[in-house]
Formats: sequence, C-alpha cells, structure tokens
Amino acid sequence: DAKTTQPTSMDCAEGRAANLPCNHSTISGNEYVYWYRQIHSQGPQYIIHGLKNNETNEMASLIITEDRKSSTLILPHATLRDTAVYYCIVRAPNSGNTPLVFGKGTRLSVIA
Amino acid sequence: EAGVAQSPRYKIIEKRQSVAFWCNPISGHATLYWYQQILGQGPKLLIQFQNNGVVDDSQLPKDRFSAERLKGVDSTLKIQPAKLEDSAVYLCASSFYSSGEQFFGPGTRLTVL
Repeated sequence: DAKTTQPTSMDCAEGRAANLPCNHSTISGNEYVYWYRQIHSQGPQYIIHGLKNNETNEMASLIITEDRKSSTLILPHATLRDTAVYYCIVRAPNSGNTPLVFGKGTRLSVIA
Repeated sequence: EAGVAQSPRYKIIEKRQSVAFWCNPISGHATLYWYQQILGQGPKLLIQFQNNGVVDDSQLPKDRFSAERLKGVDSTLKIQPAKLEDSAVYLCASSFYSSGEQFFGPGTRLTVL
C-alpha cells in the first residue's frame, strides 16, 4: 500500500503557482520523497526527488518539512500542459530492490 | 534519446482469449518493469526484471499472466486466458539500474469484453 496521503484533486489558475501537498508521516530515515506525474494517455513522468533538503530543477521545486512528515511540490508558473495526475511516493533507493508504489495521486487541473 | 516503446497501443479482445504486449526499453537500461493501471488508480507493479532475470514477480497472477525478457533487452507480457477484470492500461518502464529514475512507455490499453 502507498505510504502517502494526497488530496484527490486541485485547481490552479494558469500562470499561478501550483502547490501540491503530500503527507508521509510514517516515512523512514532512509526513504526519499519522489514525485511523478501522469498526463492523460501517457505513462508517468519523473519530476523530482529529495531526502531532507529542498530541491529545485527545471520542472519544479520540492519543499520537505524539517520533521520530514510532509512535503509540497511547487510548479512555479503552471500552464495548461501541467494538467495531470501527480503522484507522491516514498522510497528507499539505497536499500536494495525497492519498487515505486503508486497511490491514487492528486488530479491537478490548470484553468485558463 | 529514444524513449520506451510499447505495442500495440490499444487491444480489444473477448474474455478467455489470449493477448501479448511488447516492450522495448531505453538502450542500456538493465532494469525493466511491467505495471498494470486500472482506471482511476495508480500503476501497480506486476513484475521487475534485472537484465534477463526476474527480481520481483510477487504481484503477478501467475495462473494467467506470464512475462519474459529474452537476451535482457525486449520483453513480452502475456495474458492467457483473459478475464474482464484484466481491462487496464499495461505500462512498461525501464531504468539504468534498479534504484534509478524510471522511464515509462505510453502503455497499452486493453479492453476485455
């Protein structure tokens, strides 16, 4: 079972920041937080991951709370093409074979 | 860089028939995964290969599903015989190593009537 809790759906106005929350209160010390997204009729796409420090790449920023029990994915300037289901996953990549366990994710709708 | 290729993109069969899906991973990726995604849910891992060996098939319904990865490159997933509840999107993914970023193909949408 997925170890994360996410809202079922969210709306965001085009051009505004989209902030997607994720709760992972049972995260272990060696588990990272990963984010993937799935645009309609496509396979999931990796976005970003982090352990405890905030991370930023060309797609998004990841803010992890100090106690690591929750995190927020930030899309700084959402566009219509960011409409997708966003999955938050915890995983320990350095502990042998650890597959991705997907929950139901958050359906983000970016509105013009 | 070419992505993960899957075929066919769509397949409609009747229950009790057989079906096979094909996946060509990104060149050089040792790890290959097959996921099943039922409508409204996230993908669920069916089987994971490391080169041509099975690492994890604990979620694969082995009475009707089978998969192989001959020569450690392409892979096929077969369902025989299909049931109505097998209607789903079957996703293939690959990664350079088992803990690395996974790259997904577009999936095959299977409808069982």
